[in-house]
Amino acid sequence: DAKTTQPPSMDCAEGRAANLPCNHSTISGNEYVYWYRQIHSQGPQYIIHGLKNNETNEMASLIITEDRKSSTLILPHATLRDTAVYYCIVRAAPEAGGTSYGKLTFGQGTILTVHP
Amino acid sequence: DTGVSQDPRHKITKRGQNVTFRCDPISEHNRLYWYRQTLGQGPEFLTYFQNEAQLEKSRLLSDRFSAERPKGSFSTLEIQRTEQGDSAMYLCASSFRWNTEAFFGQGTRLTVV
Repeated sequence: DAKTTQPPSMDCAEGRAANLPCNHSTISGNEYVYWYRQIHSQGPQYIIHGLKNNETNEMASLIITEDRKSSTLILPHATLRDTAVYYCIVRAAPEAGGTSYGKLTFGQGTILTVHP
Repeated sequence: DTGVSQDPRHKITKRGQNVTFRCDPISEHNRLYWYRQTLGQGPEFLTYFQNEAQLEKSRLLSDRFSAERPKGSFSTLEIQRTEQGDSAMYLCASSFRWNTEAFFGQGTRLTVV
């Protein structure tokens, strides 16, 4: 599985945009980039995912570089409730005749703290 | 659609006892994943089902662990002869295809005393 590198922690002021970076330099052509977040003692919450085009939904935007070696998750107007651990994951494509079936492999994530 | 449901939410058991957890995935999702998460770590993959077939197992899944998904709907994870090191949050996720959203349940927190 392609590995990801994220900063261990980041701070953001309430109301400002939070830009969370992720490096995935070994990503393969058919592997997707996923973002999840986890608030203490809850299950991970899906945020967004993409292959190579930028994506936007009601929660966030995902910007993937043209070479696909890095991406940025953007929370446009961070609130105190966005304080969480954010995980950037490269989801391995199923292998023909192999043993990988698209599981999500979590790293340590980025602890985002939104302060007033 | 009420999302992925897990039961129980919390379980305290004595060392050596057996425990079983249940996961009800989103109804049309044929892919189901189990994960384990210890304090301060990201979730670790345990096993994967496609319909009723268990197709992938992590080396973390020792002989004391067994998972089933008998009719391709709900799944159970059983831990036999629990040890203190089994104390963790056990998470279940489901998805429709490998490249669509995978949704997680709220987890079952196991404490072995």
